[in-house]
Amino acid sequence: DVKVTQSSRYLVKRTGEKVFLECVQDMDHENMFWYRQDPGLGLRLIYFSYDVKMKEKGDIPEGYSVSREKKERFSLILESASTNQTSMYLCASSATTEAFFGQGTRLTVV
Amino acid sequence: SQELEQSPQSLIVQEGKNLTINCTSSKTLYGLYWYKQKYGEGLIFLMMLQKGGEEKSHEKITAKLDEKKQQSSLHITASQPSHAGIYLCGADRRNRDDKIIFGKGTRLHILP
Repeated sequence: DVKVTQSSRYLVKRTGEKVFLECVQDMDHENMFWYRQDPGLGLRLIYFSYDVKMKEKGDIPEGYSVSREKKERFSLILESASTNQTSMYLCASSATTEAFFGQGTRLTVV
Repeated sequence: SQELEQSPQSLIVQEGKNLTINCTSSKTLYGLYWYKQKYGEGLIFLMMLQKGGEEKSHEKITAKLDEKKQQSSLHITASQPSHAGIYLCGADRRNRDDKIIFGKGTRLHILP
């Protein structure tokens, strides 16, 4: 079975902190994605990556950056966390178009 | 841009009752995915539909894609507490490779 693992289930960070969300997949997938999920807004794509060191902006990249130094790992970085970045963050990986998701990280910025 | 509309936004049903969730697209769907999310957790893939008129079943959950490939319905028969969660439909966005767009989700509660 494909496994997508996010490093934390719950995180509480202070405004202005630099925050790293880590995601690791074990199926050698080229494509990896970061989404955030908010009530009433559903899932929105932040960034995605087709290959190592490749990244593309999604629909809401502002305030975020990403890093993909190794194929299996895709990191989401909040350079300076703000309260409006409080959300559920979901990582996904795919070989074709079917995506496999991690369990999610619930981030609260106080 | 293609958008997916899900209805209803929220649904409360008595255990044992049947229910239907709909997903409608403004454009032709090339691949339609149904996912389930338990509250606060990641998404679990349920099934994928690609052909007009296609229907797939998994246990007590059946999903259909209409002939025009612009609407899909997810039907649960004899609902159980384990069916509670958020159901999301997703679709291929062919003009941007390998990405899936999502509806806003339907929150399903099952009353014992």
